[in-house]
Amino acid sequence: GNSVTQMEGPVTLSEEAFLTINCTYTATGYPSLFWYVQYPGEGLQLLLKATKADDKGSNKGFEATYRKETTSFHLEKGSVQVSDSAVYFCALRLSGTYKYIFGTGTRLKVLA
Amino acid sequence: GAGVSQSPSNKVTEKGKDVELRCDPISGHTALYWYRQSLGQGLEFLIYFQGNSAPDKSGLPSDRFSAERTGGSVSTLTIQRTQQEDSAVYLCASSAGTSGSNSYEQYFGPGTRLTVT
Repeated sequence: GNSVTQMEGPVTLSEEAFLTINCTYTATGYPSLFWYVQYPGEGLQLLLKATKADDKGSNKGFEATYRKETTSFHLEKGSVQVSDSAVYFCALRLSGTYKYIFGTGTRLKVLA
Repeated sequence: GAGVSQSPSNKVTEKGKDVELRCDPISGHTALYWYRQSLGQGLEFLIYFQGNSAPDKSGLPSDRFSAERTGGSVSTLTIQRTQQEDSAVYLCASSAGTSGSNSYEQYFGPGTRLTVT
């Protein structure tokens, strides 16, 4: 079936460290891929997205590339800040539908 | 403009009681989703409304769960005879729901944390 798998957290990094949060998916067709972020006490918000193979989504210094050959959409940031501390969710939307499938979320904690 | 709002923000109820959770979507958004977020779990799809179409209820975990959307705007999720396993954060999201590359982008509310004692 369709699913999203992302690395378990928590991930703890020092400020200015490099971040990678792995995400892989299983889906029929050509899904759209998303990263959502949930800051403490706030609702989920879209961080970035990619709608076709080899597309790169980027926002706030975060990037993720849609890799169809490896069915992955890993989230990266070159230099994290304390303010990036949040829970990050990888998600896909099945092609031609409105249905989203979310991963379990990865908590990131950045220390000053 | 205002985002998606949900009420109450927190609800504590006794096992066996009924609860109603409310969602006010972004004005003009025709699509509305309910999700459940349990500790250590991802977002579990519950139900989807799109305009005047019949809702997709395929994610509702049991017949104790129901939802309605009045006038294509406000939605209420009702859980009857609550059980302890219903304890979770219930999230609502809305989207424009029309054609276009951003049509399905979801905007989430802050959630309602339900605790069943």
